[in-house]
Amino acid sequence: DGGITQSPKYLFRKEGQNVTLSCEQNLNHDAMYWYRQDPGQGLRLIYYSQIVNDFQKGDIAEGYSVSREKKESFPLTVTSAQKNPTAFYLCASRDGYSNQPQHFGDGTRLSIL
Amino acid sequence: AQSVTQLDSQVPVFEEAPVELRCNYSSSVSVYLFWYVQYPNQGLQLLLKYLSGSTLVKGINGFEAEFNKSQTSFHLRKPSVHISDTAEYFCAVSDWRSNYQLIWGAGTKLIIKP
Repeated sequence: DGGITQSPKYLFRKEGQNVTLSCEQNLNHDAMYWYRQDPGQGLRLIYYSQIVNDFQKGDIAEGYSVSREKKESFPLTVTSAQKNPTAFYLCASRDGYSNQPQHFGDGTRLSIL
Repeated sequence: AQSVTQLDSQVPVFEEAPVELRCNYSSSVSVYLFWYVQYPNQGLQLLLKYLSGSTLVKGINGFEAEFNKSQTSFHLRKPSVHISDTAEYFCAVSDWRSNYQLIWGAGTKLIIKP
């Protein structure tokens, strides 16, 4: 079955450490997204990519970085510059057409040790 | 700026009772509207979408929503809820001004009382 795979499901970070969250999709979607979810705040867009080798900052990109070297992969790195990284991170993808819905992975929960 | 308001952060309802989760948006242009459901510690699943055409949209799990352009609303309804409907529900909107990026509401937790 086609879908989006996020790994790991749970991740722990020490102070000053960078961590990378994986997102892989086999839906052949052009666009991919990273969201951060905090309780009571809905979803906030971190980065998105509409095509390979291109990506744009979302609303809360500071302290995060991404790459899009392959169509199916869009990893997110949470750097040590992100001072409050504890959150639930969701990856999504969408077909190229503008009115199509986004499809989501099951998320990665990041916590600080 | 475009925004989405989910008026209730939590909605408690008895099992087998009807429910309405409210969503209002601010946009003066044509919009696309979506409702998603999130079960605990999971990703979001699309419930239904309005792209064009009939203003009454039917989705999965017995949910439906009605697009009301004059009131800029897209309320979600179910005539009889089950314990399995316990989840958080998110409304989202997009239009050309946001480059079709989704603008999200803060979510509504549906709490089913036995």
